[in-house]
Amino acid sequence: KQEVTQIPAALSVPEGENLVLNCSFTDSAIYNLQWFRQDPGKGLTSLLLIQSSQREQTSGRLNASLDKSSGRSTLYIAASQPGDSATYLCAVNRDDKIIFGKGTRLHILP
Amino acid sequence: DADVTQTPRNRITKTGKRIMLECSQTKGHDRMYWYRQDPGLGLRLIYYSFDVKDINKGEISDGYSVSRQAQAKFSLSLESAIPNQTALYFCATSDVWEQFFGPGTRLTVL
Repeated sequence: KQEVTQIPAALSVPEGENLVLNCSFTDSAIYNLQWFRQDPGKGLTSLLLIQSSQREQTSGRLNASLDKSSGRSTLYIAASQPGDSATYLCAVNRDDKIIFGKGTRLHILP
Repeated sequence: DADVTQTPRNRITKTGKRIMLECSQTKGHDRMYWYRQDPGLGLRLIYYSFDVKDINKGEISDGYSVSRQAQAKFSLSLESAIPNQTALYFCATSDVWEQFFGPGTRLTVL
């Protein structure tokens, strides 16, 4: 059974710092991995989608990497801003089943 | 206009009542999903549908039913609501690879 883990559960960093969020999964046979952002009480906004054949994707200050063999993905946020404060979730897709991690709650300190 | 809409956005009801949550999408996707989100438990899949004639149970389908009225519409019903169904409910659509979420319905069962 696929399990997705995100560590740490919460993270606070000063504004301007670069940071890395981690996502690990137990079954490497995945179609793709997707990173989402969720603001409190709101829906999920897709940030980046990495296909299984890809190693990384970039969008603005965000870079996501995928290492299927080790069952890991990272989300790198450069030059963090207070507006980046949110919960970040990763989800893996395999056999049309999408399994979510529980998220990392990020707080950027002004 | 939003690509995935959910109604109602908030609902308070009493134990034993029948509740229907509705989801509509304009993305033209065949795949639609219902999730619930609970603090500490993350997102869990309730039901999913890959086309109008296809309905599948997810991880936690007990106590719920769904109807796929059209490609664009997927509704979730709680036949007899109970307090532990209090949660944030999300509808999502997919183009096979990437998921897109609605804004969520906050349901409280008293």
